[in-house]
Amino acid sequence: DTGVSQDPRHKITKRGQNVTFRCDPISEHNRLYWYRQTLGQGPEFLTYFQNEAQLEKSRLLSDRFSAERPKGSFSTLEIQRTEQGDSAMYLCASSLFSRGNTEAFFGQGTRLTVV
Amino acid sequence: DAKTTQPPSMDCAEGRAANLPCNHSTISGNEYVYWYRQIHSQGPQYIIHGLKNNETNEMASLIITEDRKSSTLILPHATLRDTAVYYCIVRVASSGAGSYQLTFGKGTKLSVIP
Repeated sequence: DTGVSQDPRHKITKRGQNVTFRCDPISEHNRLYWYRQTLGQGPEFLTYFQNEAQLEKSRLLSDRFSAERPKGSFSTLEIQRTEQGDSAMYLCASSLFSRGNTEAFFGQGTRLTVV
Repeated sequence: DAKTTQPPSMDCAEGRAANLPCNHSTISGNEYVYWYRQIHSQGPQYIIHGLKNNETNEMASLIITEDRKSSTLILPHATLRDTAVYYCIVRVASSGAGSYQLTFGKGTKLSVIP
């Protein structure tokens, strides 16, 4: 297992288009997280799943954003009607949660540029 | 989660120890101190975490003061590849409220100089 994998690494899209990103977590990890990072800032939490259940969504996650993890394995993050303000690095992380938290491992991220 | 305060930037000579401070004066008894780093254009990388005892692993050492209001991450022999932004994060352990997320600040940009 090579860690958390994200696809694509880079995406350029025109304003108003829809985009979808994919994240493949570390195989035995039951928690999966999405973060967003803009230039010069630290990552900001968007949402997380435990297995296939989406348990928390940040206020940053507007109605145009939707995330799924249908079988408790990979996850997708879709942004509809993209805006220039959506330009950012989208990071996925995974961790194993049983009786407590273990450290989260991050992927390399998907850099989105909306033109 | 408690807030943390870190210097925005630091320099360190290659081969010397890098000591990165972090203040977390409002930390609660059930909150751990985590350190992550982010090398340019990559995702954050876990380094180390601790509750109250000092911790050491193959990457770094973590020194937490007795009152737990501050900590120091030590990279014993910094190399050019350690140039990165280092984030100090406090996080609830176990299944406590908010335990699922990491709250990143702006971190400390460490530059290792040849």
